[in-house]
Amino acid sequence: ETGVTQTPRHLVMGMTNKKSLKCEQHLGHNAMYWYKQSAKKPLELMFVYNFKEQTENNSVPSRFSPECPNSSHLFLHLHTLQPEDSALYLCASSQVLRSSRGTNEKLFFGSGTQLSVL
Amino acid sequence: GQQVMQIPQYQHVQEGEDFTTYCNSSTTLSNIQWYKQRPGGHPVFLIQLVKSGEVKKQKRLTFQFGEAKKNSSLHITATQTTDVGTYFCAGLYGNKLVFGAGTILRVKS
Repeated sequence: ETGVTQTPRHLVMGMTNKKSLKCEQHLGHNAMYWYKQSAKKPLELMFVYNFKEQTENNSVPSRFSPECPNSSHLFLHLHTLQPEDSALYLCASSQVLRSSRGTNEKLFFGSGTQLSVL
Repeated sequence: GQQVMQIPQYQHVQEGEDFTTYCNSSTTLSNIQWYKQRPGGHPVFLIQLVKSGEVKKQKRLTFQFGEAKKNSSLHITATQTTDVGTYFCAGLYGNKLVFGAGTILRVKS
């Protein structure tokens, strides 16, 4: 148990469906992230929220829509996805600190949602 | 954009052999982090290196950060079957964390 809970664990959806992924962190962190993990590719950062404000959108297609209602919850709304969007979607949280030695952004990941788009 | 190159992509070792994975960046990093992902699991933080030339140990794992803060390595001594998984480095550029592609480790018993 990492303190970051993702639901659902598995999701199969058609290209015309609308679904949402949910993430909740119980660690009191001030930043939350969505990552995409595809086979044979590095972890791809999709979105970052610091203090509930989106600070990064890594050129993600508009069919992915994030929502961060508070510092503990993060959603990823999905609509009209493509088969190539099938992947493991990982949520993470961290406590962003600033010190003389650099920013501490150790990530705590959830178990992920394995998404299959048919 | 910033990239972290990680090699090898894949390594299959006999139980008891050593294992090393390397990460390289073309630009200086603020720090470097290492994560392990077991098969079917999610990445789990192992360690963070911040200082130039830093070396840290966790039991059979040794982590190094280069003098120029552009490269790092993870060395496992006498691998065990419990070491299987994918090892990722992640370099921090300012406030942006960039992951390497990972090294998949398989251990034959």
